[in-house]
Amino acid sequence: NAGVMQNPRHLVRRRGQEARLRCSPMKGHSHVYWYRQLPEEGLKFMVYLQKENIIDESGMPKERFSAEFPKEGPSILRIQQVVRGDSAAYFCASSPGGMNTDTQYFGPGTRLTVL
Amino acid sequence: AQSVAQPEDQVNVAEGNPLTVKCTYSVSGNPYLFWYVQYPNRGLQFLLKYITGDNLVKGSYGFEAEFNKSQTSFHLKKPSALVSDSALYFCAVSPLSGNTGKLIFGQGTTLQVKP
Repeated sequence: NAGVMQNPRHLVRRRGQEARLRCSPMKGHSHVYWYRQLPEEGLKFMVYLQKENIIDESGMPKERFSAEFPKEGPSILRIQQVVRGDSAAYFCASSPGGMNTDTQYFGPGTRLTVL
Repeated sequence: AQSVAQPEDQVNVAEGNPLTVKCTYSVSGNPYLFWYVQYPNRGLQFLLKYITGDNLVKGSYGFEAEFNKSQTSFHLKKPSALVSDSALYFCAVSPLSGNTGKLIFGQGTTLQVKP
């Protein structure tokens, strides 16, 4: 049973470009979470999605960031017009349900570097 | 506001000695608590969680954690440390309100086990 898959593992973008980060949840999981880890900091929640629905985006910056989890295919975190402050590790997690008690399983992360 | 604190940035222990990584939380009601470990350039791996029941929770790789409601703590422990346990450890709490399932993480504690 494959774990959570994320690609690319490393992404380099110049200021003003777009970044697209992909996450495929574990088999049988329909709940996806995105977290951001800035250097020397813990993980901060960004957004929680179910198939075709955004459930909680309270941690998502209001501008330039968007997320989706279509009926078919991976979840996508999209960052438009990237700035240097967007450089971070972005982790995706999945769970079988959306209950507070469910264990979230994390992917290896995408490390975004903005030049 | 719900929060998690890991008061030590780094813990150093000799191989074979017991280890403790501290975590305290601030939530209303009964919390759901988690421990994760992160190895360099990797995602987070689930170690254990407390939902209800026995205050001593056993998890992966010989780790355990003790839930103490009066002290609002959930310290991670292992009777005999291994060099391979050296990593970054995160404590997390799941909010009780709503059904978002998001995790709130502490800042992380680096564990260094020396031979």
